[in-house]
Amino acid sequence: GAVVSQHPSRVICKSGTSVKIECRSLDFQATTMFWYRQFPKKSLMLMATSNEGSKATYEQGVEKDKFLINHASLTLSTLTVTSAHPEDSSFYICSATRGRDEQFFGPGTRLTVL
Amino acid sequence: SQQGEEDPQALSIQEGENATMNCSYKTSINNLQWYRQNSGRGLVHLILIRSNEREKHSGRLRVTLDTSKKSSSLLITASRAADTASYFCATDGGNSGGSNYKLTFGKGTLLTVNP
Repeated sequence: GAVVSQHPSRVICKSGTSVKIECRSLDFQATTMFWYRQFPKKSLMLMATSNEGSKATYEQGVEKDKFLINHASLTLSTLTVTSAHPEDSSFYICSATRGRDEQFFGPGTRLTVL
Repeated sequence: SQQGEEDPQALSIQEGENATMNCSYKTSINNLQWYRQNSGRGLVHLILIRSNEREKHSGRLRVTLDTSKKSSSLLITASRAADTASYFCATDGGNSGGSNYKLTFGKGTLLTVNP
């Protein structure tokens, strides 16, 4: 199966700082990558869709300036949480697709903002 | 808004028993997928069923899809303690106007299999 990695797996930061999360497809080129957010015991909420070389498409209610997405190559997308606040603490998961159907999910990044 | 709604929200069974989880959705779909998530981990793809399919099997998993009722079920037979996890359905609402493929997830069912 296709493998997607995320780094870091866990990060703790102070309020006001920025945090970058990387999502990589290790053994395939991803046509599209997606970023999700998940609160404890809740479902995944799609934040944005990212295509290589173009601007990300954000879901309604997601602040573009707050959550910066850069899709530098067909195997790498990054999510930067800018000026993080405690309410940004969450589990962030990326996924990548190489076709139209199956999405392959990363292991997630636990962000805690103090 | 949430497309998929799973029930029950939580299910506790004994090892060896079968577990059935249901998912309902609201709009038309291209396909429906089931995922598994262990606590604090990423999602693992279990099975995909297309809108023109009614039933699909994969090992101990059996998925049904009823597009007239906009519902799907996931059956895990002969459950094991290692099956303990959250299970989510996700729908692909289609690809209109060349838009990107997106999944909408349900709230999930927390399955606990007691040894």
